[in-house]
Amino acid sequence: AQSVAQPEDQVNVAEGNPLTVKCTYSVSGNPYLFWYVQYPNRGLQFLLKYITGDNLVKGSYGFEAEFNKSQTSFHLKKPSALVSDSALYFCAVRDRWTGGFKTIFGAGTRLFVKA
Amino acid sequence: EAGVTQFPSHSVIEKGQTVTLRCDPISGHDNLYWYRRVMGKEIKFLLHFVKESKQDESGMPNNRFLAERTGGTYSTLKVQPAELEDSGVYFCASSQDPGKGDTQYFGPGTRLTVL
Repeated sequence: AQSVAQPEDQVNVAEGNPLTVKCTYSVSGNPYLFWYVQYPNRGLQFLLKYITGDNLVKGSYGFEAEFNKSQTSFHLKKPSALVSDSALYFCAVRDRWTGGFKTIFGAGTRLFVKA
Repeated sequence: EAGVTQFPSHSVIEKGQTVTLRCDPISGHDNLYWYRRVMGKEIKFLLHFVKESKQDESGMPNNRFLAERTGGTYSTLKVQPAELEDSGVYFCASSQDPGKGDTQYFGPGTRLTVL
């Protein structure tokens, strides 16, 4: 079955430090991979996606993610965290070949950035 | 360009009542999706419309849920009769061409509370 795992419910990091939010997935074929962010009282906002090509994907607000096929991971990273990055982050996957066009989401990871 | 909009933002109803949620996709997006996040868990797919046709409704939990998209514009999701376990946040998303890893853009969600 297709699934996405975000092993950490919460990540705490100090402002200015690098951050990583982990994501691993399980799909039968080559996936499309996405990261979304949800700020308080807001909807899901698209951050970045991997379709094909370079394994390192750069997105909005200085975020980037690296696709690792052998480890089936797509970790979200940022070199220097801001307090305003505090939010709920969702990793998501869509199978290229099967499963229709639905997007499978992880349970979310809450990021706290302390000043 | 206006984003995906949803109405209402919050709804509180009693068990056994009926509630109708509305979603207006981004103009020109033929693909419309409904998702649900229950009790802080992962966001789960409910169904996918292409224009007015249901392309995939494999995620609909039971026959108390009815989704429509008459005319291929806005969509409604009706829950009748509502049960306690239907409480959660209902998200709508739209996209242009899902077959090519297209991004799904999400609305702010409707928070449904069934008492």
